[in-house]
Amino acid sequence: QSALTQPRSVSGSPGQSVTISCTGTSSDVGGYNYVSWYQQHPGKAPKLMIYDVSKRPSGVPDRFSGSKSGNTASLTISGLQAEDEADYYCCSYAGSYTRVFGGGTKLTVL
Amino acid sequence: EVQLVESGGGLVQPGRSLRLSCAASGFTFDDYAMHWVRQAPGKGLEWVSGISWNSGSIGYADSVKGRFTISRDNAKNSLYLQMNSLRAEDTALYYCANSVAVAGPFDYWGQGTLVTVSS
Repeated sequence: QSALTQPRSVSGSPGQSVTISCTGTSSDVGGYNYVSWYQQHPGKAPKLMIYDVSKRPSGVPDRFSGSKSGNTASLTISGLQAEDEADYYCCSYAGSYTRVFGGGTKLTVL
Repeated sequence: EVQLVESGGGLVQPGRSLRLSCAASGFTFDDYAMHWVRQAPGKGLEWVSGISWNSGSIGYADSVKGRFTISRDNAKNSLYLQMNSLRAEDTALYYCANSVAVAGPFDYWGQGTLVTVSS
């Protein structure tokens, strides 16, 4: 159960696009289409942004999108807004009723 | 409105035990799997344990296996985490979260209860 690998930080200017990667193994990210992404603002509980690799829950702007290739999943945020500045975590099902999170990525909107 | 309210956290000495509870409302509790996720101060999220709607499937992170026990009471709409042999590295904010499917995402989260393990 090793944590998924995410970049520690990414940044972009308002209106730009950023992509956050999440690399695992064939036992988690690569083995299942059950990758989800969570946004966490300081002092707040995480919020679901993407599930099943690329699906958006109701109420999440379509500026947020997800994809996967092999053992790496990605979250892309287009048209960056100031309120997107937060920590982002990926999570994957890892079999046998277990899950694994990424280490988290701090998004800074310049 | 979905509500998940954790309780039972506090300061505990290493080696001692603590039991966390999560009271659920606003959704049909026994339609959902439930999970505990923790976050050490200033650190990232770590999945701790999950339990299916009927308690038939249970999983634990390697870091807590053999020390923590997850359970639920569908009649009381409640989730529990029995934590034994606590260590300093178990210090964290413990969230409960629900998921509609076995491998599904964590749809809703509580606000967390803080566990501090220190002598």
